[in-house]
Order: sequence, then structure tokens, then C-alpha cells
Amino acid sequence: AAGVIQSPRHLIKEKRETATLKCYPIPRHDTVYWYQQGPGQDPQFLISFYEKMQSDKGSIPDRFSAQQFSDYHSELNMSSLELGDSALYFCASSLGSEQYFGPGTRLTVT
Amino acid sequence: AQKITQTQPGMFVQEKEAVTLDCTYDTSDPSYGLFWYKQPSSGEMIFLIYQGSYDQQNATEGRYSLNFQKARKSANLVISASQLGDSAMYFCAMREGDAGGTSYGKLTFGQGTILTVHP
Repeated sequence: AAGVIQSPRHLIKEKRETATLKCYPIPRHDTVYWYQQGPGQDPQFLISFYEKMQSDKGSIPDRFSAQQFSDYHSELNMSSLELGDSALYFCASSLGSEQYFGPGTRLTVT
Repeated sequence: AQKITQTQPGMFVQEKEAVTLDCTYDTSDPSYGLFWYKQPSSGEMIFLIYQGSYDQQNATEGRYSLNFQKARKSANLVISASQLGDSAMYFCAMREGDAGGTSYGKLTFGQGTILTVHP
């Protein structure tokens, strides 16, 4: 069965640089979520989209923005990166009750 | 206030035995969903099982079952016949505002429990 695809899987950036994370949801899933998981932490919700419209927003910094495109893929744009942005970033998608996560993008900011 | 509480930072179990991972939750919403995910050391988040607040029966998926006690606000995960590959971090999560099988809400996670299966 198709799963959520995230790219890149690993990303190393320097402070103050920008990063773009991509997510391709499971086909026909209409909702996409982004979560951030810091080292030793539980995942924290950032933002979600339903049918290409932002549906909810969590503790997402103003330096971050996201959108969902007409083909349902989503991108998380992160600017002015800080050391504290180093984390595992998950995209998840759902159609109904169950929410499936992608493999994550591990971002390291040096 | 913490919405999802997992009180066991770490659990140990012998291979082939059953183990229960605890999860309690707090919500005033009558409609909610409860999830369990497994996160191996490789980092991916694997969906295991889902229970809706209106479901009459406890959810089961293969060796996983969810012991749902609504009055106690607990949703413990039971893993039967543990395998070495079950060693991982396990997260309990809740989504508020579930609406009978179709819902688009964010998940709130507990702190996780590290399960170690001994041979």
C-alpha cells in the first residue's frame, strides 16, 4: 500500500539559512498535517491543511510557512533557521479516522 | 494541563509474554479518538491502533489491543506474545472533536514509553 512520502529524508543547514520540506500524502487522503519532534520529545503539531486550505495551526513559528498544492502535496518552508529548529519533521495524512505518518525529515541546523 | 499521560518512562518484558502500556487522557469533548503509535530507533512513526470514543468494543489489530475504559479515561495498549522487534518507543495520542469516523483534527501526544523486549 502507498505510504506518505517525505523528502528529503535528511537535511543539514546552517543558522540563518532556509529549508523546504516536501510531503506527498497517501493518494486520495484529503488532509495533511505537519509535526515537529525535538530530540527526546513527543511530536508537536505545527499546521494542517484540508482540501488545500489551512485547517488548523499549532505552535508554528512565524519564520515557518506551509501550503498545500493542487496535487495535494504540501511544503513546509522554514527561514532564518535556528539551532533549536533541529528536529525530526513529520508529515501525516488522513482520510477519516486514522492518521498515517511519513518517515520524517531529520533537519540538523549547525 | 497534560491531556495525555503515559506514566511509564520504560517497560521491560520477556519475549513471548504480554505487556500493557498505560495511557490516561483528559478531555471534556464527548467525541474524541485515541491512537497508539510505535517509533523504532530508526525514527518512523508507525500507526498501530485507533479507538473512537463512541466505539462499543475495544479495538484490536493483530497482536495489539486497546483496553478502553471510558469512565477511567484510560486507553492502555496491550501487546500479546511480545517479539524482539517490538522494542521501540510507544506513543499514545488523542484527537478531540472526532465525528463518527470522519475527522481532521491534530493529534496531541503523550510523553512516550520505551519498551524493551528481552530474549
